[in-house]
Amino acid sequence: AAGVIQSPRHLIKEKRETATLKCYPIPRHDTVYWYQQGPGQDPQFLISFYEKMQSDKGSIPDRFSAQQFSDYHSELNMSSLELGDSALYFCAARDRGAPRDGYTFGSGTRLTVV
Amino acid sequence: QKEVEQNSGPLSVPEGAIASLNCTYSDRGSQSFFWYRQYSGKSPELIMFIYSNGDKEDGRFTAQLNKASQYVSLLIRDSQPSDSATYLCAFSGGGADGLTFGKGTHLIIQP
Repeated sequence: AAGVIQSPRHLIKEKRETATLKCYPIPRHDTVYWYQQGPGQDPQFLISFYEKMQSDKGSIPDRFSAQQFSDYHSELNMSSLELGDSALYFCAARDRGAPRDGYTFGSGTRLTVV
Repeated sequence: QKEVEQNSGPLSVPEGAIASLNCTYSDRGSQSFFWYRQYSGKSPELIMFIYSNGDKEDGRFTAQLNKASQYVSLLIRDSQPSDSATYLCAFSGGGADGLTFGKGTHLIIQP
């Protein structure tokens, strides 16, 4: 079965560069969430979107922005990258009409800032 | 502040035994509770979700929820080496949109 697709799987950037991470949710999953997971850390909620509108905001730095498009895919844009931004970035999606079904995670993008 | 507390472990359990993972949460507005399994460098994988008090069983896994005491647990029967992973407890609700995760318990199943 199709899952949540994230691209790229791996990304290496230098400090102060920009990066764009993409997430393609499962069909019918109208809500997308972005999480950041540093080494040995639990996933930290960054931001979420429902029907192309931002629905909640967590610990997302001002250097980051995100949006959801009409086909429900989402992009996380990261600027002025810092070494501390190196982490696994997960996208999760769910059907808001079935809130108890849990969140399906993509395979993640591993960002390394050098 | 919404918090989820888990013992980070490592929790070492012999193969074939029952592994018991516990999680407490602080937000009484929490509505749904999830257990995710995460292998190193991989994305979290949903194992169980529960939203009513009591037990919920699915194969070798049983989730237990006690809202009055604000804890949720996961039992893994007949533990297998492939169960060795980090188990993340998470909840949703209480006004927030995203999931709030605990720091995870590192489970090691000893052959």
